Amino acid sequence: QSALTQPASVSGSPGQSITISCTGTSSDVGSYQLVSWYQQHPGKAPKAMIYEGSKRPSGVSNRFSGSKSGNTASLTISGLQAEDEADYYCCSYAGSSTFVLFGGGTKLTVL
Amino acid sequence: QLQFQESGPGLAEPSETLSLTCTVSGGSISGSSYYWGWIRQPPGKGLEWIGTIHYSGSNSYNPSLKSRVTISVDTSKNQFSLRLTSVTAADTAVYYCMRHVDSTLGYYFDYWGQGTLVTVSS
Repeated sequence: QSALTQPASVSGSPGQSITISCTGTSSDVGSYQLVSWYQQHPGKAPKAMIYEGSKRPSGVSNRFSGSKSGNTASLTISGLQAEDEADYYCCSYAGSSTFVLFGGGTKLTVL
Repeated sequence: QLQFQESGPGLAEPSETLSLTCTVSGGSISGSSYYWGWIRQPPGKGLEWIGTIHYSGSNSYNPSLKSRVTISVDTSKNQFSLRLTSVTAADTAVYYCMRHVDSTLGYYFDYWGQGTLVTVSS
């Protein structure tokens, strides 16, 4: 099964809001409320920012929010800060044969 | 606070077997709500889920790697391991061990090791 589709890059200025999309199919994103999002700074391990589509792990800023419509999930970051500059990956449960799919990743640049 | 220590050779020869171990401290791997596993990232590329295992032995693998992958768990040592056979240059990657929450607590990868680079080359 193919990876989930994310834009290669997005950018925004400090204080602005940006949204990163993650498009799957009716077999993964569209069928389950089990999308998670991960932030990865260069040379570091990924960090979970959103799980089950819209829930934030303890300690994650409420500037990060998630949503889903049909086969597309979205991560929105409001009040952009320089420290938000990183790669972001979406991930979805994809059923009992494929299990887990990741998106190709989106590089966020804070201008 | 959970901590992970990945160990294993940083270099593997083509056609040989890659073996890594992740030792967990700060908590037990015998919790029913959690799975333990591996995710890899080729240099400059995205993340790829390899597979997970429950302390009971129940496991699941990426279909594209299933024929070559074995993940095992040793509860007495609080560690789990990855074996990937018949490696090629395409298996060169940073390998992360992680904890997978799969319960009413959520469904996501909440703890990650620091990652270890394994290069496949002769």
